[in-house]
Amino acid sequence: AQSVTQLDSHVSVSEGTPVLLRCNYSSSYSPSLFWYVQHPNKGLQLLLKYTSAATLVKGINGFEAEFKKSETSFHLTKPSAHMSDAAEYFCVVSDPPTSGGSYIPTFGRGTSLIVHP
Amino acid sequence: GAVVSQHPSWVICKSGTSVKIECRSLDFQATTMFWYRQFPKQSLMLMATSNEGSKATYEQGVEKDKFLINHASLTLSTLTVTSAHPEDSSFYICSASLRDRTTYEQYFGPGTRLTVT
Repeated sequence: AQSVTQLDSHVSVSEGTPVLLRCNYSSSYSPSLFWYVQHPNKGLQLLLKYTSAATLVKGINGFEAEFKKSETSFHLTKPSAHMSDAAEYFCVVSDPPTSGGSYIPTFGRGTSLIVHP
Repeated sequence: GAVVSQHPSWVICKSGTSVKIECRSLDFQATTMFWYRQFPKQSLMLMATSNEGSKATYEQGVEKDKFLINHASLTLSTLTVTSAHPEDSSFYICSASLRDRTTYEQYFGPGTRLTVT
């Protein structure tokens, strides 16, 4: 079974300061991990994904995440926040499907990033 | 590439009527399509998973007779909300998965805002 915990429902930062959005997961397999961003009344956009290759994953808009198996974490970071980064962020885990089954992703509850000028 | 569209983007209907939402993968053939429901300030709730040509698999608590899913082709899935009521008002998001060699990445549609009066 797989699960995702986003530790913070809200994160508030000032523009130009670093961003850290935390995500912990549990999985019985070698999972695929994703971060998505959602702006108000919009669909989800993929920021980055972990595919069991490099543990440090670089994504779009300056975001990156590090897969740490020992800590079962996949935290999202950005060195300097921009006003346009204000949005909802979702961490997603998916196990490979079992034989004959379908792949089912599990979403975290989301973290709302607030950026102050 | 990997664009998913939804139509309509928003719809207002009267209680008791049915509403159909279309989800299309525009430039790829989707292995699987997913339907989600999202309440304000909350995460996505998976409603059902569908593979082309087979019946949808509904999550526990989702009424299959109320939320009819038809996955007619590898590029089109439809969600019909039958006999809609105000409590069905929500943001509905579809996604399509493209199975590459290492991950099962999802591509999300822009969402459909349903308001039932």
